[in-house]
This record gives sequence, C-alpha cells and structure tokens, in this order.
Amino acid sequence: DAKTTQPNSMESNEEEPVHLPCNHSTISGTDYIHWYRQLPSQGPEYVIHGLTSNVNNRMASLAIAEDRKSSTLILHRATLRDAAVYYCILRDREKGSNYKLTFGKGTLLTVNP
Amino acid sequence: GAVVSQHPSRVICKSGTSVKIECRSLDFQATTMFWYRQFPKQSLMLMATSNEGSKATYEQGVEKDKFLINHASLTLSTLTVTSAHPEDSSFYICSAGRGGSYNEQFFGPGTRLTVL
Repeated sequence: DAKTTQPNSMESNEEEPVHLPCNHSTISGTDYIHWYRQLPSQGPEYVIHGLTSNVNNRMASLAIAEDRKSSTLILHRATLRDAAVYYCILRDREKGSNYKLTFGKGTLLTVNP
Repeated sequence: GAVVSQHPSRVICKSGTSVKIECRSLDFQATTMFWYRQFPKQSLMLMATSNEGSKATYEQGVEKDKFLINHASLTLSTLTVTSAHPEDSSFYICSAGRGGSYNEQFFGPGTRLTVL
C-alpha cells in the first residue's frame, strides 16, 4: 500500500475549523483515501473516505487535490470531543473492507477550550 | 454503523499465564477480522488477519505459537496470548469489515493487557 505523510500534531480552538493535511504522492489510480480517528483509550473509528471528488458526511469533509497527491480532512467546527489521533490511510478499492489497513503515525489533534 | 465488541476490556495477569481476548461482530457476519497491537504513544501495528474456518495469516515478526488466533464462527474471533510476559503488555484491538459494498472497517473498543 502507498505511504501517507501527516504532521505529527496540530492544535485548534474549540468551534473553529480544522484542516488536517495528508500527502500521498505515490497514490495509485485505484486507491481510496480513508480517514480514521482514534480517541484516547479507544479503538479507531471511521471518519470518511473518497476517491477523486470531495466528500461530505455528518462528521467531516474530505477535500482531494486534483492530482490526488494530497488530501485534507476538514472538521468544520472542532469540539473538545474531536481531540484524537487522525489517520490518513490508502487502500486499493479492489480489495474492499476485508483487506488489512496499514496505519501510519497519524496527526494528534489537540482542541483548546 | 456496525458494532464490534471486545471482551474483556481490561485484564491483569501474572507472567507465564495465558490470556484470551474475544472479538465479536454484533450485528453482521465477518469472514475476516484483524488483530492489532498498540504500545503507548505509538500507532496500531497489525498482528494478524483472522479468517473464518481457516488458519490466520500472521504479519512478519509475530509469533504464531505465542499469539493463537481462532475464528470459529462468522461473529467471533479470539486471540490467546500464551505464556504472557511483561513485554506483551499492550492495547489489543480487533476490527472487521462487512465486505460487499461497505468500505469501512469497524473497530472494537480495545483490550488493555497488563502482565505483572
């Protein structure tokens, strides 16, 4: 699986938007971009995924660069409960959800009150 | 979303004993489950892929005789840490995918193992 690069940590203030970047310059044409997050002492949870077009769901938005070599997870209004480690992961869409995920180091998001 | 549970959530055992951790998919069938280990302030490391009705596939460097995996039904996979030692103390997390048109994996809440 292609590798992703994320900043080690980011900080935000409550109720402000947060933009979490991810670089994936070696992404292949069939790789989905997935985002998961892990709250302290919990298992990861799915946030969002996309292929080429920008995506929105109730948790976040995913903006994908036109060349797909980078993407940005957008939390529109950060809350204290959004403090977590955010992981950007690539997975070949041919392999489906029964294929293993490879976690990088992720970005530790701190939200200040 | 689908629910994956783990039991126990926390276990403390003496060195040399064996510990079994259960991972259940509560509202879907999972032909494949995954076991991860996470040390403090580190990322998740995949240990093995658990396949229902067949042998697990272990990642390089993971001792299959020490970390026994059984996936006897479509809703249950177990990880047994045999002859546990303090260095096995870690956060163990399982996950499962629903397959089909679903893209995401669902993770259990994790099991904190402390070996004294």
